[in-house]
Amino acid sequence: GAGVSQSPSNKVTEKGKDVELRCDPISGHTALYWYRQSLGQGLEFLIYFQGNSAPDKSGLPSDRFSAERTGGSVSTLTIQRTQQEDSAVYLCASSYRQGGEQYFGPGTRLTVT
Amino acid sequence: AQTVTQSQPEMSVQEAETVTLSCTYDTSENNYYLFWYKQPPSRQMILVIRQEAYKQQNATENRFSVNFQKAAKSFSLKISDSQLGDTAMYFCAFMKHLIGNEKLTFGTGTRLTIIP
Repeated sequence: GAGVSQSPSNKVTEKGKDVELRCDPISGHTALYWYRQSLGQGLEFLIYFQGNSAPDKSGLPSDRFSAERTGGSVSTLTIQRTQQEDSAVYLCASSYRQGGEQYFGPGTRLTVT
Repeated sequence: AQTVTQSQPEMSVQEAETVTLSCTYDTSENNYYLFWYKQPPSRQMILVIRQEAYKQQNATENRFSVNFQKAAKSFSLKISDSQLGDTAMYFCAFMKHLIGNEKLTFGTGTRLTIIP
């Protein structure tokens, strides 16, 4: 079956604009994660959705970042008023069981100019 | 909070040789999972191997094996008979064995180059 997909693959935006990044998890996976990969900070956790439970937002770096997951499937990560330090690769992953493998998407490379 | 340390930013080895990547971690948890992920230039993170902390037996996956030393909080990856396709960034990662807290904490990575 299809793996985790993310869109767009690359996004260039101007400072101050809002962006939306999309993640389609593997069908049937109840857990969905967002991570950010940047040169300065490495790989860091952003947010985690598990089924119908309240998401774990503990990794979101500021209130400009938000995410939602509709119908327990597709997720959108929104960054408002983008800053240059938001430039990074945003990775999405999904998992079907606790402690199991997280399957990653190819990521979205965000560049803020 | 958990931390994961990879002390080798870069490594290179001749094709067909064996290479070992180091990883240490710090945690107060007793039950947890450890992972090695591979990230080739395509950017796609791929799971290489997974270890459950309560299992004493070291995990193996074909040419990949780990040396898990729980007391020393060490989790090294050995790649045998290295191949050109093994060239990638390798990340060690930690996850608590706790429902609702399944985020991965990653090390800074080791860039591995296999030389033909």
